[in-house]
Amino acid sequence: DTAVSQTPKYLVTQMGNDKSIKCEQNLGHDTMYWYKQDSKKFLKIMFSYNNKELIINETVPNRFSPKSPDKAHLNLHINSLELGDSAVYFCASSQGSPGTNQPQHFGDGTRLSIL
Amino acid sequence: GENVEQHPSTLSVQEGDSAVIKCTYSDSASNYFPWYKQELGKRPQLIIDIRSNVGEKKDQRIAVTLNKTAKHFSLHITETQPEDSAVYFCAASGRTYKYIFGTGTRLKVLA
Repeated sequence: DTAVSQTPKYLVTQMGNDKSIKCEQNLGHDTMYWYKQDSKKFLKIMFSYNNKELIINETVPNRFSPKSPDKAHLNLHINSLELGDSAVYFCASSQGSPGTNQPQHFGDGTRLSIL
Repeated sequence: GENVEQHPSTLSVQEGDSAVIKCTYSDSASNYFPWYKQELGKRPQLIIDIRSNVGEKKDQRIAVTLNKTAKHFSLHITETQPEDSAVYFCAASGRTYKYIFGTGTRLKVLA
């Protein structure tokens, strides 16, 4: 069983479109994250939710809106896609509350390509 | 602000040799230091981690050392094998409980 699963795995779309990426974890973790990995492989945190509550919101354009319907799911909606949004987006999860610094488990990533 | 520097950016070693990757962090409140391995097209996977109350941790061919005074930590891989070839990321986490990742090291193990 995949512990952290993301859909879709690949997403190719036109500039200006709106798209969503879904993430689910079956580890029973309390905290979930979205990361962006650019073409130079740099991994940067975007958002984090703990028990459906937003706890990390980095300097990300407000075209990106995360939503956590429950602690096992964290989705990412992107409006008005731009060329610079092309990247691999990783979802991750970890056990415990903020400040406990537990290992994060990553999903397989969603490769977003903007044409 | 918080920052993690990682060196080298690329590293080539002969099979059987050792590899060392070094990271330096800026936030003195950092207390958790994981290392991730990312193979081409795959997800980052945790390979070892260390907390600030420990100076060294070892798991088979992999070891991590931490120098809190100098704010340095290093990954050591001994007896390298071709399957160790990947990109390795260090990270530091502390008062803001978010990971600050290093810029990655591409390790190539030459057979």
